[in-house]
Amino acid sequence: GQQLNQSPQSMFIQEGEDVSMNCTSSSIFNTWLWYKQDPGEGPVLLIALYKAGELTSNGRLTAQFGITRKDSFLNISASIPSDVGIYFCAGQYDYKLSFGAGTTVTVRA
Amino acid sequence: GAVVSQHPSRVICKSGTSVKIECRSLDFQATTMFWYRQFPKQSLMLMATSNEGSKATYEQGVEKDKFLINHASLTLSTLTVTSAHPEDSSFYICGGLAGTDTQYFGPGTRLTVL
Repeated sequence: GQQLNQSPQSMFIQEGEDVSMNCTSSSIFNTWLWYKQDPGEGPVLLIALYKAGELTSNGRLTAQFGITRKDSFLNISASIPSDVGIYFCAGQYDYKLSFGAGTTVTVRA
Repeated sequence: GAVVSQHPSRVICKSGTSVKIECRSLDFQATTMFWYRQFPKQSLMLMATSNEGSKATYEQGVEKDKFLINHASLTLSTLTVTSAHPEDSSFYICGGLAGTDTQYFGPGTRLTVL
């Protein structure tokens, strides 16, 4: 599948700060998903979005499915040290996923 | 969320041998499972899609005779890397499609071919 445009590529944040990352695509998707991957582990699903315009929260995480179906963003509020990791967006069409390149988050204590 | 397991978590083998990796959906039935490989600092690359009881569909550039996939039941898919070579060393991840059309991933298998 195609690779989505995910930004930023990496970020250093202060503990307690809010974090934002986003993904854009030239194609439309039926579903947008956000995963977090720790070193040596498989990606873990954070949030799934199924409808254009949908805004969904999971604890300190909030994500939105863009109205054009070609973009999505993920916000993390009040970051903590365990938020360190690589975050991937994924767009799903016809059951296949296309992934962003990932955003590496490092938290400064 | 739905749980997917993989076995083994890591394997080291000699060049020329075959390695089998199992992927199981533990608390849901996955009519469709996916196999990915991931190189360091890169995203997941889809290798093939397997549907229970039928032949897998391979992505362009992935050799079906080298990466044998069997999806014999609704909870088990296997990937066999045949005649493995050092360039096959990678992190292999399976994904299972749950009823909500959401894909859940296994913890991955680190393959090292000497």
